[in-house]
Amino acid sequence: ETGVTQSPTHLIKTRGQQVTLRCSSQSGHNTVSWYQQALGQGPQFIFQYYREEENGRGNFPPRFSGLQFPNYSSELNVNALELDDSALYLCASSLSLGQPYEQYFGPGTRLTVT
Amino acid sequence: AQTVTQSQPEMSVQEAETVTLSCTYDTSESDYYLFWYKQPPSRQMILVIRQEAYKQQNATENRFSVNFQKAAKSFSLKISDSQLGDAAMYFCAFGTGTASKLTFGTGTRLQVTL
Repeated sequence: ETGVTQSPTHLIKTRGQQVTLRCSSQSGHNTVSWYQQALGQGPQFIFQYYREEENGRGNFPPRFSGLQFPNYSSELNVNALELDDSALYLCASSLSLGQPYEQYFGPGTRLTVT
Repeated sequence: AQTVTQSQPEMSVQEAETVTLSCTYDTSESDYYLFWYKQPPSRQMILVIRQEAYKQQNATENRFSVNFQKAAKSFSLKISDSQLGDAAMYFCAFGTGTASKLTFGTGTRLQVTL
């Protein structure tokens, strides 16, 4: 059974550019959540996907968007990057909805916006 | 909306001693879960322990135990026989039974000294 993986590990982008981060969920998990963790802060919920549909969104602007694929892997896209988007982006997968106690995190992608 | 507060930005404990990390939360939900996550420098979030709100008995996982006071909305983590490998950021988190979204506190950095 493979764990949650994320790519790339690190990324440097320029303000105004677009970025795509990827997440492969743990085997058998159909729910993926994305979090943004700014330096020195706890993770903040961005959105969640369940069976390829968005199922809940945190307080993030529309330029943060996502996708979930039939194999339940997921992408986080951020358009028009801003300096404040610099953070660690974590994805977490779970077996299904309503099971916050079974959420497994990936190692994260460190995004730096210059 | 739920909030999670960790009032101790940093804590220090000597190896083999016991330390308690504090967490308070606010919610109007009756069905929820509370968690402690550990985030070492490798950045991977690791679930340490979880507590279901409907259970009166405090959760225990080896050297880790919680003191769950539902009326006071308090959820502290006790680490016994501290080890060097326990050094990390510790996050308290809240989740409901209706979704997999987690709300995190700002974290407590735990140092373990010889």
